[in-house]
Amino acid sequence: DVQLVESGGGLVPPGGSLRLSCTASGFTFSNHAMSWVRQAPGKGLEWVSSISGGGVSTYHADSVKGRFAISRDNSRNTVFLQINSPGAVDTALYYCVKEQTLYSHGVFDSWGQGTLVTVSS
Amino acid sequence: EIVLTQSPATLSLSPGERATLSCRASQSVSSYLAWYQQKPGQAPRLLIFDASNRATGIPARFSGSGSGTDFTLTISSLEPEDFAVYYCQQRSNWPPGTFGQGTRLDIK
Repeated sequence: DVQLVESGGGLVPPGGSLRLSCTASGFTFSNHAMSWVRQAPGKGLEWVSSISGGGVSTYHADSVKGRFAISRDNSRNTVFLQINSPGAVDTALYYCVKEQTLYSHGVFDSWGQGTLVTVSS
Repeated sequence: EIVLTQSPATLSLSPGERATLSCRASQSVSSYLAWYQQKPGQAPRLLIFDASNRATGIPARFSGSGSGTDFTLTISSLEPEDFAVYYCQQRSNWPPGTFGQGTRLDIK
């Protein structure tokens, strides 16, 4: 069975930084693009970032471009999201998501349970 | 940016009834539309991708239809575990993708 386990969330001050991690198992990690999708408290879903299976291609939503960076380590079956200079609007549950194929194309077929990021002083 | 509008916002039905949920796109997304189910306190789950393809392990009572700008998720006979929030999501000209605001399916 596919398992995605996120970690690294917590309380971060505005303008600080945080790195989220997601460790995967149950599938050939390098054969799948990975993404992060977030959900603000009581709100809907928002795609944040994606990375291809080999790690060469990355994509970010306009709302986080220049502040967030997605990366992966295929030797450790882990994907990361570096969050820099967050604001209150970035407070959300961040889900690690497996995509259907090697190259990111936006079909999210497995989700982790999420890690909560709270931006507050 | 393509905007997805889901209707109704809330749907109240009884077990055994048929549910019809709608998703309308602000411009054509071809067939690049997915549906997700989210239960309270849980992560979303992929139900349907590319408008009408059921994801692995999804029961046959869930079906998707539509193309262009108008899409429908149908649950043929509601089971107690189907009461949840449903989101549509488009991936036309990916990235970015966008999600609808959700439809809450409540027990009547």
